[in-house]
Amino acid sequence: DAKTTQPPSMDCAEGRAANLPCNHSTISGNEYVYWYRQIHSQGPQYIIHGLKNNETNEMASLIITEDRKSSTLILPHATLRDTAVYYCIVREGGSQGNLIFGKGTKLSVKP
Amino acid sequence: DGGITQSPKYLFRKEGQNVTLSCEQNLNHDAMYWYRQDPGQGLRLIYYSQIVNDFQKGDIAEGYSVSREKKESFPLTVTSAQKNPTAFYLCASSIYGEKPLHFGNGTRLTVT
Repeated sequence: DAKTTQPPSMDCAEGRAANLPCNHSTISGNEYVYWYRQIHSQGPQYIIHGLKNNETNEMASLIITEDRKSSTLILPHATLRDTAVYYCIVREGGSQGNLIFGKGTKLSVKP
Repeated sequence: DGGITQSPKYLFRKEGQNVTLSCEQNLNHDAMYWYRQDPGQGLRLIYYSQIVNDFQKGDIAEGYSVSREKKESFPLTVTSAQKNPTAFYLCASSIYGEKPLHFGNGTRLTVT
């Protein structure tokens, strides 16, 4: 079973920030939080990952709570092309093992 | 450009036939993975390989086989023993450590 819980769907207005929550209350100290997104009929695309600190790259920001039991992916200015299924995953650092995907959040960006 | 190539994008087979899906990467990654995705579902791990000539079963390995004779190649064979082979198959690779997986664009297999 996936170690994360995400809402099944969310809507966001174009140009506004999209905030996607993820609960990972059983995360262990050496597990990273990863975010991917998948546009229909394509392979998942890596977005960002982090361990403890907040992270930002050209695509998004990742905010991890101090107790690490939840996180939020922020797309600062959502566009129609950001419509996709977003997956939040926890995975042990240094591990080559299983990356467990849940059903993710279907984000719909509307004009 | 470096990346992962899966071919073909669409594949059709008759029931009872084995079929092999290709996955090639030129990222010099050590680990490679095969996932299966059914409509409206997340990804489920079939097999993964951390080094050449070694691989481990994932959660749903029954009815599938793999080989890893070269670092850059990790073909997946869907055998006739797989009861529900119609699905979207995704290959991925990664280097050691916390670095993320890189995915190919998938092969959609239809068995009738």
